[in-house]
Amino acid sequence: QKEVEQNSGPLSVPEGAIASLNCTYSDRVSQSFFWYRQYSGKSPELIMSIYSNGDKEDGRFTAQLNKASQYVSLLIRDSQPSDSATYLCAVTRLRNTPLVFGKGTRLSVIA
Amino acid sequence: DGGITQSPKYLFRKEGQNVTLSCEQNLNHDAMYWYRQDPGQGLRLIYYSQIVNDFQKGDIAEGYSVSREKKESFPLTVTSAQKNPTAFYLCASSILQAGEKLFFGSGTQLSVL
Repeated sequence: QKEVEQNSGPLSVPEGAIASLNCTYSDRVSQSFFWYRQYSGKSPELIMSIYSNGDKEDGRFTAQLNKASQYVSLLIRDSQPSDSATYLCAVTRLRNTPLVFGKGTRLSVIA
Repeated sequence: DGGITQSPKYLFRKEGQNVTLSCEQNLNHDAMYWYRQDPGQGLRLIYYSQIVNDFQKGDIAEGYSVSREKKESFPLTVTSAQKNPTAFYLCASSILQAGEKLFFGSGTQLSVL
């Protein structure tokens, strides 16, 4: 059974700090990894994708992937109150197969 | 503007009633999906379709039905067999060769009267 696990939180960080969100997955042959952000009552939006081991940076966001340890993480630098949301980790084994989502981590950035 | 339109935004179901949630996209995407989200939970896949007139069950298909008669449309029917239908329902679409990049509609909140 494919599983994606995240700490549900809430994770509270002060404004300006680095927020670190983690995700582990059970299917060793997973190939593609994604972070979606979801504000309360809204639909998810894609913020990062990563496919190979290492780090990928996009603005204040950095995704990190370690396939040997089966974890993927998201770092948010200079956290802002507007970053307060639920962050969903999603994984897929193959292209053209549906994503499997984790339950999400709720992040609260305190001004 | 291209996008995915879900309707209605809120829907109430009486016991024993079937209800249909609408999802329309004008992005010319091949694949469409229905996810269910319960409070504090992630997204669980109900059904998906990668081509017209074909669809596959997801992890929680029992009590739901879908059709894909047109590329643009993928309605979801919540049948009376679904005993716990209260949830936030999300429709999504994607380009078939980039299935992981989902574009979501704004969602339908379904509640039981």
